[in-house]
This record gives sequence, structure tokens and C-alpha cells, in this order.
Amino acid sequence: EDQVTQSPEALRLQEGESSSLNCSYTVSGLRGLFWYRQDPGKGPEFLFTLYSAGEEKEKERLKATLTKKESFLHITAPKPEDSATYLCAVTGNYGGSQGNLIFGKGTKLSVKP
Amino acid sequence: EAEVAQSPRYKITEKSQAVAFWCDPISGHATLYWYRQILGQGPELLVQFQDESVVDDSQLPKDRFSAERLKGVDSTLKIQPAELGDSAMYLCASSLGGLALGGELFFGEGSRLTVL
Repeated sequence: EDQVTQSPEALRLQEGESSSLNCSYTVSGLRGLFWYRQDPGKGPEFLFTLYSAGEEKEKERLKATLTKKESFLHITAPKPEDSATYLCAVTGNYGGSQGNLIFGKGTKLSVKP
Repeated sequence: EAEVAQSPRYKITEKSQAVAFWCDPISGHATLYWYRQILGQGPELLVQFQDESVVDDSQLPKDRFSAERLKGVDSTLKIQPAELGDSAMYLCASSLGGLALGGELFFGEGSRLTVL
């Protein structure tokens, strides 16, 4: 069964304290892994798509990496405005994840000034 | 910047009543999705359209939920009758070519439903 597990569930950082969020996945033939940011009461906002192991993408203070079993979202010197829930999702080539996004439960990040 | 429009943003209803949500995708996006997100969980797919045709509605509770995209542009999701367990955020998303072609999903701001 296709599955996405994110850890930790919640993360509290001080401003400037770098850290990483983890996304472990099980999918039948990974087609793509997605990272989204979601602010309270809003819809998810697209951040990155990764397609193959070894791929990396960066956007401002965020950097996403991908291996065959997991993805990391690295946050360098975070600011309070980076506080949000970060969602990981996968789409696969077969079964229930084909043409669909399977989401994890997210990591709620809080950055204190 | 083009956005996915949804309405209403908030809806409070009593159980057994009917509710409807509307979505207007980004212009030109052929693929449209309705997701449901329960508080503290990730979004889960309810139904996927390609133009006006349903591609996947395997997770849609068809005894009470219905969805349509008659002209292949905007879409309506209906619940009748609403139950307490339907309280959630209903998210609409659109994609130019769909995930199968390597596209990304762009989400609207969602419609928050509370059933009393």
C-alpha cells in the first residue's frame, strides 16, 4: 500500500536554528515527490517536485533532497515567517497513487524570534 | 498570478442539510481535483476530473456526495445530507496536464465546513 510518513509531527526552532524535516515513503514506482507549505486555514502552496534519487532543489531558505526511500526538507537559518505546516506527497506509476497525490500528515514548524 | 477560486470560504450547517461548494480552476487547466482534509491530517482525494469526465471517484461516498464539471471548466461538489463526520476543509486543485504528465497541483484556499 502506498504510504507517506512525516517526522517529526511538530518542530519548534529558534530563529536562525537550522534543521531538517523527514518524509519517508512507500510507493509502487515513484513518479514524483512533492513538498507543499500550508498556512493555517489556507490551501497548500506548492514548493518543490523531485523526480529521481539524488535530485535536489532550493528556494530561498529551503532545500529539498530525495533518496530511494525518503526526502528531506532542510531549512537554513529559519525566520518566523517560515512557520507553517509542511506537507509531503507522492504520486506513483501504479495503483492508488497513479495520477493522484498521497499525502503525509505534515510537520508543523514553529519558528520563534 | 492565476489562482484557483473556491467558495464559500466557510460554511456552517446542521446535519441532514444539503451543502454545495464551487471551484473555478486556473484558466486552461484541464485536470481538476477535489480533496478533503480533516484537521491534523493530509488531504485525501475525493474525485478527479479530466475536462468534463470523471477519472477517479473511487473514494467519493456516492450515497451522499456528488460532483460535476459540466462544461469542463468550473466544478461543484455537493453533500446531501450532511453528517457530523463531514466537518473538514474541502480543497479544490487544478493541474495543466495532470500528475501523469509530470504536472504540479495548485490548490485553492479551501472551503471550511462545520456540521452541527
